[in-house]
Amino acid sequence: DGGITQSPKYLFRKEGQNVTLSCEQNLNHDAMYWYRQDPGQGLRLIYYSQIVNDFQKGDIAEGYSVSREKKESFPLTVTSAQKNPTAFYLCASSLGGRIGQPQHFGDGTRLSIL
Amino acid sequence: GQQLNQSPQSMFIQEGEDVSMNCTSSSIFNTWLWYKQDPGEGPVLLIALYKAGELTSNGRLTAQFGITRKDSFLNISASIPSDVGIYFCAGPWTGNQFYFGTGTSLTVIP
Repeated sequence: DGGITQSPKYLFRKEGQNVTLSCEQNLNHDAMYWYRQDPGQGLRLIYYSQIVNDFQKGDIAEGYSVSREKKESFPLTVTSAQKNPTAFYLCASSLGGRIGQPQHFGDGTRLSIL
Repeated sequence: GQQLNQSPQSMFIQEGEDVSMNCTSSSIFNTWLWYKQDPGEGPVLLIALYKAGELTSNGRLTAQFGITRKDSFLNISASIPSDVGIYFCAGPWTGNQFYFGTGTSLTVIP
């Protein structure tokens, strides 16, 4: 089955620690995205990548980093510089190309602070 | 920046009732998307709209692309318990990015 796989489902971070969230897709999509979702709020864009080896900051990139070494993979690192990392993180992908291509989402990773 | 306003924020309805929600933007959009998110899961695409005035159905769901291109509407007919969740609208920002609304939380009372 084609889809987007995020892991782990739940993640705990200690103070001062960096953690990496995994996102893999087998949809052959060019574009990939990371969003943060807080209770009662919509999705806020952290980073996005339109093509391999290229990525751009979204609205709330501070304290986060990404890489896009393979088309299928777009891992997100939450660094110790992110002072309020507790949230639900969603990865998405889209075909790219034509403007307005729908994004398809993974099932999310819930990150909490120990 | 761009704002997508969804209303209502939350709805509590009896099973079998119809539901209406809408989304408005401060700019003209060429695409409107509607997603549903179940608790603890990622959003799932319900309907995509690409043309002003377009009316598209997906089972009991019907969505419309407003003629002004600044709004969209989602209707659910004869609601059932599994309709519970948060419904998001989305419109394109630049390239393949989207703005997302703050969501409408739907509760269906059996």
